[in-house]
Amino acid sequence: EDKVVQSPLSLVVHEGDTVTLNCSYEVTNFRSLLWYKQEKKAPTFLFMLTSSGIEKKSGRLSSILDKKELFSILNITATQTGDSAIYLCAVEAGLGFGNEKLTFGTGTRLTIIP
Amino acid sequence: GAGVSQTPSNKVTEKGKYVELRCDPISGHTALYWYRQSLGQGPEFLIYFQGTGAADDSGLPNDRFFAVRPEGSVSTLKIQRTERGDSAVYLCASSSGRGGTDTQYFGPGTRLTVL
Repeated sequence: EDKVVQSPLSLVVHEGDTVTLNCSYEVTNFRSLLWYKQEKKAPTFLFMLTSSGIEKKSGRLSSILDKKELFSILNITATQTGDSAIYLCAVEAGLGFGNEKLTFGTGTRLTIIP
Repeated sequence: GAGVSQTPSNKVTEKGKYVELRCDPISGHTALYWYRQSLGQGPEFLIYFQGTGAADDSGLPNDRFFAVRPEGSVSTLKIQRTERGDSAVYLCASSSGRGGTDTQYFGPGTRLTVL
């Protein structure tokens, strides 16, 4: 059974701090790893990672994948109160060319204190 | 539309009743997914449509749950004889359906509460 584990489960930091969120996975036939931000109900897409060692960056957020050690990290620098959210990691796995379901971790709840 | 939309945003029902939840995917997206998210958990896969057909329904918990997508666009998730344990946020996502590395975009969800 595919498994995705995120840590920490919860994190509280002060505005301006840098945070690192972790995601490890055990899946058969890995295809991609995705990060989403969930503030209320709708998870919003942040990154998709398919190749090891290539950093994806968007503003203060960045992410990298290690397919040998089976993990990914999401970094947020100079955090702001608007970064407070649940960050979800998900993995897509499968053999076929077609689309596959996502397996999610339980998420990391990030709280930024002003 | 610009994004995935879901209706209703909230649904409160009594145990034993029947409910329908609707999802309208991003225009042109052929792949549509339903997930269920319980409090404190990540979303869990229920069913995936490619066009009108259910390509993978392995996540449906039991035969009280059923989903359709008759014209390959809007989908309806149907739950019969609801139970308190069905209370959760039901999320819908869509993607282009071209396979490979294809991003899923989520709607705002329907919060279902079974009393």
